[in-house]
Amino acid sequence: DTAVSQTPKYLVTQMGNDKSIKCEQNLGHDTMYWYKQDSKKFLKIMFSYNNKELIINETVPNRFSPKSPDKAHLNLHINSLELGDSAVYFCASSQHRGYEQYFGPGTRLTVT
Amino acid sequence: AQSVTQLDSHVSVSEGTPVLLRCNYSSSYSPSLFWYVQHPNKGLQLLLKYTSAATLVKGINGFEAEFKKSETSFHLTKPSAHMSDAAEYFCVVTIREEYGNKLVFGAGTILRVKS
Repeated sequence: DTAVSQTPKYLVTQMGNDKSIKCEQNLGHDTMYWYKQDSKKFLKIMFSYNNKELIINETVPNRFSPKSPDKAHLNLHINSLELGDSAVYFCASSQHRGYEQYFGPGTRLTVT
Repeated sequence: AQSVTQLDSHVSVSEGTPVLLRCNYSSSYSPSLFWYVQHPNKGLQLLLKYTSAATLVKGINGFEAEFKKSETSFHLTKPSAHMSDAAEYFCVVTIREEYGNKLVFGAGTILRVKS
């Protein structure tokens, strides 16, 4: 009965590879988000989707491409991975924009 | 611009003593404010929220926070710390934008609870 789930939990890969992180929520929410938490634990929003439509796109390299096949899923694809992409990525969801957000357990990405 | 400042990067208390984690916000309109907690290697859990209703907000695990507009503060308190409260706590403000709202996180306060 996990509310917001992410896969994989850990991802170790080499520079230049392409990888995807998947997120699913079973809360019936209409808005989903991706956040990046760097090594200093600073959390920053990357993207937000409402009803499969992109509504927030922060200054993120084009190598990052979110995809929302339906309201319950928001996947994050990263091309040409770089060392600086190493971080913990959190998916979140909310009912309507601006309501409190519920977070997934995070995906720890390590680029070597 | 909307932002939050967590005044202490680390707070250390003894078990059974009160907890105070300080947060000041900056907002050009009446804000929505939250406190989230992150235990080591875990995701973020919502502790409590303020959305322009009662200024004293009660959350889970005995935590509460008071919204003080005159002081632009939203400090998190708990009367008696428990070992399980040891975690990192984030104060969060909502920014309203044309196409949606987004959360802006403070830098976090690590709470250490000594036995």
